[in-house]
Amino acid sequence: DAKTTQPPSMDCAEGRAANLPCNHSTISGNEYVYWYRQIHSQGPQYIIHGLKNNETNEMASLIITEDRKSSTLILPHATLRDTAVYYCIVGILTDSWGKFQFGAGTQVVVTP
Amino acid sequence: DTAVSQTPKYLVTQMGNDKSIKCEQNLGHDTMYWYKQDSKKFLKIMFSYNNKELIINETVPNRFSPKSPDKAHLNLHINSLELGDSAVYFCASSQGDLGPQHFGDGTRLSIL
Repeated sequence: DAKTTQPPSMDCAEGRAANLPCNHSTISGNEYVYWYRQIHSQGPQYIIHGLKNNETNEMASLIITEDRKSSTLILPHATLRDTAVYYCIVGILTDSWGKFQFGAGTQVVVTP
Repeated sequence: DTAVSQTPKYLVTQMGNDKSIKCEQNLGHDTMYWYKQDSKKFLKIMFSYNNKELIINETVPNRFSPKSPDKAHLNLHINSLELGDSAVYFCASSQGDLGPQHFGDGTRLSIL
C-alpha cells in the first residue's frame, strides 16, 4: 500500500497562497491522490483529487509531478477559515474496492 | 439539507452498555463507511458497505456490528462498551469505491 508523508505543520499569512507538499513515492499507476481537510470539530471535507494531470476546482489546485511521486495542494488565497488539518491520501484498491488510509496530515494555521 | 447526518452528536454512557449510532445520507450514494478517530486524531476506517453489502471490515472487535437497512442508511451498534471505545465516530458516503467521500459531523462517544 502506498503511504504518504506530509509536514506536521505550516503557517500561512491570510491572503497569500498556501502550498502544501505531499510525498507518495511508492504510489502505483492506478492509484489516485486525494486531498481532504478537517476543520476543528467537523467531519473531513473533500477538496480535490487527481491521477496524473494537474487539477483545479473552486477550492484549490492540485499539482502532481510527472513521476507521480509527490504532489502539492495549492490554496490560492488563504483565509482564516482555511485553518485546518489537511490530509493527503492515496486511493488504495483492495479486492476492487477502495479504502482510505488517513495519516497525521498537516496542521495549517492561517494568520491575519 | 444536510448531506450526511449522524445521530446522536454526543453520546455519554457507562462501560458495559449497548448503544447505537445512526447515519443517513441523502446524496443517492451507493457506498457508506464508518470511521473511528481516536484521541490522537488518527482516522481509521472500520467498515465499508456497497449497496447494503459489507465490503470492508477492518480489524474491529465483533462487539461492533454495522447494519444497512437500505442504501441511504448505515447504523453502527456497539455491544458491551469499553473505555477504549471512547472516540469520535464518523459516517461517510461516496458514489463507487473511489468517489470523493462526504463525511458527517461525527458522534462523540464518551465511556464513563
